Amino acid sequence: GAGVSQSPRYKVAKRGQDVALRCDPISGHVSLFWYQQALGQGPEFLTYFQNEAQLDKSGLPSDRFFAERPEGSVSTLKIQRTQQEDSAVYLCASSPSRVSYEQYFGPGTRLTVT
Amino acid sequence: GENVEQHPSTLSVQEGDSAVIKCTYSDSASNYFPWYKQELGKGPQLIIDIRSNVGEKKDQRIAVTLNKTAKHFSLHITETQPEDSAVYFCAAKKFNDMRFGAGTRLTVKP
Repeated sequence: GAGVSQSPRYKVAKRGQDVALRCDPISGHVSLFWYQQALGQGPEFLTYFQNEAQLDKSGLPSDRFFAERPEGSVSTLKIQRTQQEDSAVYLCASSPSRVSYEQYFGPGTRLTVT
Repeated sequence: GENVEQHPSTLSVQEGDSAVIKCTYSDSASNYFPWYKQELGKGPQLIIDIRSNVGEKKDQRIAVTLNKTAKHFSLHITETQPEDSAVYFCAAKKFNDMRFGAGTRLTVKP
């Protein structure tokens, strides 16, 4: 079956530009997570949705980062006024229900800010 | 908050040998411990997991052990194959908060 998909797979932005990264979770999955993965590191939590509700955004590094999931399925991570330190792979994961343990990851979007 | 330490950072084994990766965690409230395999250009793939009420779990060539008292857990891969070469991440989860180790790059030499 279809897994988690993300687009674009690669994004190059000039410093100061805004970017929008899309995540399509596994159909029917209630929970959705965003992570940031720096080169050579493990993923770090950014934010969590249960359906359309953003229940935890404690990992967002600054107010330039914003995420939404308006209809409880597709989610968008937006980064305003990108900076070089935003360069990373942004991973999306989904989980079947709010009590599920397992998280299934998409392929990620590699963002490079020049 | 939770802190997950993983070692070694790199591991090279001969095909057919076993590989062991170890992780420690700090928060005794963590109750779910997955292992992910990440190949170049791909997202992490869940390969095995264990919950805090279980001490050991095995799936074919892969096994995970958990010592709650010592707060450490390990991944064991037996009869390694070249296609096992990848970066492996451990993680510890409490509620919806999952923290990852820094990863182990496993190379299996044919």
